Amino acid sequence: GAGVSQSPSNKVTEKGKDVELRCDPISGHTALYWYRQSLGQGLEFLIYFQGNSAPDKSGLPSDRFSAERTGGSVSTLTIQRTQQEDSAVYLCASSPTPSGGSGNTIYFGEGSWLTVV
Amino acid sequence: AQSVAQPEDQVNVAEGNPLTVKCTYSVSGNPYLFWYVQYPNRGLQFLLKYITGDNLVKGSYGFEAEFNKSQTSFHLKKPSALVSDSALYFCAVRDRERGSYIPTFGRGTSLIVHP
Repeated sequence: GAGVSQSPSNKVTEKGKDVELRCDPISGHTALYWYRQSLGQGLEFLIYFQGNSAPDKSGLPSDRFSAERTGGSVSTLTIQRTQQEDSAVYLCASSPTPSGGSGNTIYFGEGSWLTVV
Repeated sequence: AQSVAQPEDQVNVAEGNPLTVKCTYSVSGNPYLFWYVQYPNRGLQFLLKYITGDNLVKGSYGFEAEFNKSQTSFHLKKPSALVSDSALYFCAVRDRERGSYIPTFGRGTSLIVHP
């Protein structure tokens, strides 16, 4: 597709359930990012994938959060045993292969709005 | 470490007046700087970026931003605001020397343009 595609766009889940959020990056983009946007909190970095390199997981808030990227393209963010504080918008972004001096603009999807009740 | 501050949670401006949304940054080396806009219930859209060279950067929808190294600022500006510019604006920074490709975002500034 032309842009970053995320699904589902909205998800309401019960506390304690597991959820999976999917991201399909722009074709040809090797870098993929997950961010979380909570009300009034700005964007919080979660995880970064670049090609076949080991992902940078330094932003994952707890071991309930995990992500994988299959075949260097589609990524899935999994939240286990969801808590109410996990309610947020989960934003995926992608960018071309980083190169020196390029600035490496990242392009965002529309987000997955998660509500834990 | 890299960080960015947007000191105003909200900016109010009348339609037709110039607008400024402020951003200051901190990096150990030299920065890449970005502005994004988020309309209600949408993702972030890229507006403009500073890489190197001319300190005045022009972007989408008539927006521009001025890089000021001595003041470590990258304020977003537009000469004449439109009601349709009302949205949430995010500034982001990445330290070009550290080799990290993960930008840090500010908390966002809500721009409200009154008719």
